[in-house]
Amino acid sequence: AQSVAQPEDQVNVAEGNPLTVKCTYSVSGNPYLFWYVQYPNRGLQFLLKYITGDNLVKGSYGFEAEFNKSQTSFHLKKPSALVSDSALYFCAVRDMNSGYSTLTFGKGTMLLVSP
Amino acid sequence: NAGVTQTPKFRILKIGQSMTLQCTQDMNHNYMYWYRQDPGMGLKLIYYSVGAGITDKGEVPNGYNVSRSTTEDFPLRLELAAPSQTSVYFCASSRTSGEVNEQFFGPGTRLTVL
Repeated sequence: AQSVAQPEDQVNVAEGNPLTVKCTYSVSGNPYLFWYVQYPNRGLQFLLKYITGDNLVKGSYGFEAEFNKSQTSFHLKKPSALVSDSALYFCAVRDMNSGYSTLTFGKGTMLLVSP
Repeated sequence: NAGVTQTPKFRILKIGQSMTLQCTQDMNHNYMYWYRQDPGMGLKLIYYSVGAGITDKGEVPNGYNVSRSTTEDFPLRLELAAPSQTSVYFCASSRTSGEVNEQFFGPGTRLTVL
C-alpha cells in the first residue's frame, strides 16, 4: 500500500523568508511524487513532480522540491515567500512498481504568508 | 480551451434525493477521476476511468455511480443522498494514467445534503 503524510496542518512564514512544506511517503517500490496547490474555492493546480533523475525538482511559481530517498521525503521549498503563496498544498504519491494504480494524496498543509 | 468544467457549482439536496454531477474535459484526455474533499482529510478517490466505456472503483465508491460513454464526459451519480455525502467534489483528467502525467482539476461542486 502507498501512503503520504504531511505532518503540519499549517505553516506560517513572513513574506520574504524561505518556506518549507514537509511531505513523507511510503511505497513498496520507487515513487512518483507530486505537489499540488489549491487556492480558496478553486480546484487543485499542479506545481511539480518527481519521476526520476535529479533529486531537486523545479516547478511553477518559483517552487522547488527535494527528493530524499533515504528519508522518504519530498519537501516543498521556496527561497522567498510571497503573500500570494498563501494556499493549501497537497503532496501526492504513486508507487511505480505496483501496476496500475492511482495517486494517493496527503491531507494538505495550509501555508499562511504574512506581510 | 476550457480544461475541466463541472456543473453545478453548488447544490443543496434533501436526504434521499438523487442528482448527477457533470464533468467535461476538452483536452482529449483518456483518464478521468472523481474525488471528494472533506476538511482535514485530503482528497479521496471515488471512481476513475481509463477510457470511454471503462470505469473502476476508487477508495470510497459506496453511494455513487459513474458512466463514461464519451471521452469528454464523466458524470457522477448520487442515487440516495445521505448527509455523509456532504462534501466538495472534484473531477480531474490526465493524458495517461496519473502516475506520470499530472492531473488537471475542475473548479469543484460543493454539495450539501440536509
